Parts: sequence; C-alpha cells; structure tokens
Amino acid sequence: GAVVSQHPSRVICKSGTSVKIECRSLDFQATTMFWYRQFPKQSLMLMATSNEGSKATYEQGVEKDKFLINHASLTLSTLTVTSAHPEDSSFYICSAGTGGPRETQYFGPGTRLLVL
Amino acid sequence: SQELEQSPQSLIVQEGKNLTINCTSSKTLYGLYWYKQKYGEGLIFLMMLQKGGEEKSHEKITAKLDEKKQQSSLHITASQPSHAGIYLCGADMGNTDKLIFGTGTRLQVFP
Repeated sequence: GAVVSQHPSRVICKSGTSVKIECRSLDFQATTMFWYRQFPKQSLMLMATSNEGSKATYEQGVEKDKFLINHASLTLSTLTVTSAHPEDSSFYICSAGTGGPRETQYFGPGTRLLVL
Repeated sequence: SQELEQSPQSLIVQEGKNLTINCTSSKTLYGLYWYKQKYGEGLIFLMMLQKGGEEKSHEKITAKLDEKKQQSSLHITASQPSHAGIYLCGADMGNTDKLIFGTGTRLQVFP
C-alpha cells in the first residue's frame, strides 16, 4: 500500500519557538494532503487541506497564521507551528490521497509535539 | 451534535470472543473508511466501503455498509490481543474530499 512518512516523530520545544513538521508520500504523488490534530483519547480533527501549488484551505477555527502549511511538491507538505505555546501540544497527523475524488487517504505515523 | 457516531466508546473483551463496532451517520455516506490506531501512532487503513449493502473482509475483520448507506459495522471474529487499539470510522459526506471522523472505539482484548 501507499506509504506516508512524517518527520520528526516527536519534538519538544520551548514556548515561543516555531516547529516544522514534514509529511511525505514515499511511493506516490499526492496532489492533496490533509493535516489533522488529535488530543488524547479524542478523535482526529481536520485542521487544513493542503493543495500542491496553491494555498491551503483551513477549517473553521484554525488560525492560518499560527499553523503555516506549505505544499511545495507532489510528495511533500509541511506544517509549521509558529510561536508555539503549551496549548499547541498535541499529536499531529497528516494524510495523503493518491488522487481523484473519494480516494483512500493514507496516514502518516504522526508527530507528537510537546511545548514547554 | 456529532455527524458521525461510533459505539461503543470502549470495549473490553476476552480473547477469542467476537465483537462489533458501529458507525452511524446522520447523512448518506459516499464512502466509509475504517482505520485502526495504536495509541500515539498513525492510522492504519483497514477497509473502504462505498456501495449500499457492501461487505468486505480481511482476515478476521468484516465490515459492512447498510443499504441506506448511513450505518456501517465492523465485526471482529475470535478476537486476539493484536486486535487491541482504537478503531475509527471516517466518512466521505460527498461535498468535498475531506473525511469526517467518528469518535473512535477503544478496544482491549485480554487473554
């Protein structure tokens, strides 16, 4: 099956710093990637849809200036948490589709962010 | 209210027992996806259902989508400790490529 990787898998940072998380589709091209956030023992919440070559579409309530998304190529999307605060600590998961409507999304292993 | 409801929220079963997890939508589904997640890890794709009445099986896991395409069930036969984890259903509601996720079901299997 299609493989999606994320880097780093775990990051600890100081409050006020920025953190970049990478999402890569390893063996397929993804025109669309999705970024999710998951709080402990809760379901995934979609943050934004990342489209290659265009601006990301953010879900209601997600600050676009806080969570910067760049989809520079068909295999790479990045999420940058700017000026991170402890409340940003969470598990961030990306997914990528193989193309076309209603395609299966394949998920990355997730990145655990802890902001001190 | 949640667009996609999963039940039960948690399940503890003895190894070898069968179990069923349900996923119910308030709207007609264009696609229903089942995923499994180990705590703190990514999601593993299990199965996708698109047609009313469709049923798919993989090893000891069977998923069904009802005729009205508003409810899906995931059935595990003769559960094993390796089945433990969080099961999430994700739904394509038809208006975009986004998936809406259910609340998840935490499964524990004890020997």
